[in-house]
Amino acid sequence: GIQVEQSPPDLILQEGANSTLRCNFSDSVNNLQWFHQNPWGQLINLFYIPSGTKQNGRLSATTVATERYSLLYISSSQTTDSGVYFCAPPRPNFGNEKLTFGTGTRLTIIP
Amino acid sequence: EPEVTQTPSHQVTQMGQEVILRCVPISNHLYFYWYRQILGQKVEFLVSFYNNEISEKSEIFDDQFSVERPDGSNFTLKIRSTKLEDSAMYFCASSEAPGRTEAFFGQGTRLTVV
Repeated sequence: GIQVEQSPPDLILQEGANSTLRCNFSDSVNNLQWFHQNPWGQLINLFYIPSGTKQNGRLSATTVATERYSLLYISSSQTTDSGVYFCAPPRPNFGNEKLTFGTGTRLTIIP
Repeated sequence: EPEVTQTPSHQVTQMGQEVILRCVPISNHLYFYWYRQILGQKVEFLVSFYNNEISEKSEIFDDQFSVERPDGSNFTLKIRSTKLEDSAMYFCASSEAPGRTEAFFGQGTRLTVV
């Protein structure tokens, strides 16, 4: 199956800082999702991004499918951004039937 | 905004007991999934369900697990005889159709087997 690697595994930042989280995957994909797992364990959809760039407030994501990576940008971090960020591409060529999650980036924002 | 809902949010059960985790997917969605996350680990696929049958299952999804759509709105995961290693967060998800559509996750059920 597809391999998904995320970096860095841990990131500690001061409130107000910017960050870039990376997701590398081993095979071509036709879409990819980013999630935020909050401290209560809930998985919050951030982006569904097959390719290109999307923005939502302070967050944006870019997927370059041909080079097999996606980036999540967080600007002006707030303490509520803390948690684990997962990327999850589907199985290649099968659409969205099964997502393969990366190991995540744990982000801690310090006031 | 439509959402996937799961009940209960937390369940504690004795080893060997049967548990049923319940989910109400988004109403116009056709594909349903269960994933699990052991504490501190990544989220793992268990099973997908489409057109009233399992479309794919992982090696984790052995004979102790079963899924059912008992009516037009609920989707359940049953674990027949729980083991300590079944302790995890279980997530239900749904998507509108297979292929190129976004999956939405419920808030999870934290299962603790004692």
